[in-house]
Amino acid sequence: QQQVKQSPQSLIVQKGGISIINCAYENTAFDYFPWYQQFPGKGPALLIAIRPDVSEKKEGRFTISFNKSAKQFSLHIMDSQPGDSATYFCAARPSYSGGSNYKLTFGKGTLLTVNP
Amino acid sequence: EPEVTQTPSHQVTQMGQEVILRCVPISNHLYFYWYRQILGQKVEFLVSFYNNEISEKSEIFDDQFSVERPDGSNFTLKIRSTKLEDSAMYFCASSESRTGNEQYFGPGTRLTVT
Repeated sequence: QQQVKQSPQSLIVQKGGISIINCAYENTAFDYFPWYQQFPGKGPALLIAIRPDVSEKKEGRFTISFNKSAKQFSLHIMDSQPGDSATYFCAARPSYSGGSNYKLTFGKGTLLTVNP
Repeated sequence: EPEVTQTPSHQVTQMGQEVILRCVPISNHLYFYWYRQILGQKVEFLVSFYNNEISEKSEIFDDQFSVERPDGSNFTLKIRSTKLEDSAMYFCASSESRTGNEQYFGPGTRLTVT
C-alpha cells in the first residue's frame, strides 16, 4: 500500500514533443506529490510538486496533472528538449502527523531520452 | 543558491569496516534525511532527523546504522559493519518545512563495499 507505481520505465521523445510520465498510488494518506529529475551521477533535484487540493500545477514547460479519485498523477513536459534527458522520479509523502510521516516514497523512475 | 553538500563523493571499503558519510544540509533547514539508491533501482528512505532525534526510520535502518548531528552544520550517517549489500548511492536531504515538503537532495556518496 506504500508503493508508488511509475510508468513507463523508459521513454524516447523527439525534440519539441510532449513527454508524459504516469504514477499511481494506493495509500489515500498520501497528500504531497513531488517530481524529481536526476541526471547521471547527481542527486535527485526537486522539479515540481502538487497537493491533492488542485488538479493541475504548471511551472514553465512542466505540468503535473492530478486525479484524486483515480489515485493517479502525471508529469507532462511540453516542448521537450535534449537537455531534459534524465531520469524522472515521482514520489509521495503521507500527511504530516506531528513528528512523523516525513518520508518520501519514490516510484522506480523513468529514463527519458529526448532526441534532437 | 544554497545546496546540500556531501563528502566523500565515492567511498570504497571492505566488508565489516565502519564508514561515516558526511552531509552539510542547507543552513536554515532543520529537518534532515538519508536515502539510498541501489544501482538502477528507486530511491529508498532510510531515516529522518529533527532536533537531535530520529523522527522516523525504515526497516532498512537497522542497528548497523546510526545518524548524528555532531555540530551545527554537519549531519552524518554511520554504518558500523558494512555488508556487500550496503553498496549503494547514499543521498542526504534537508527541508525547511516541518511537513517534510520540499526536500532538497545532495549529490550523493557512492559507497562500494568489497
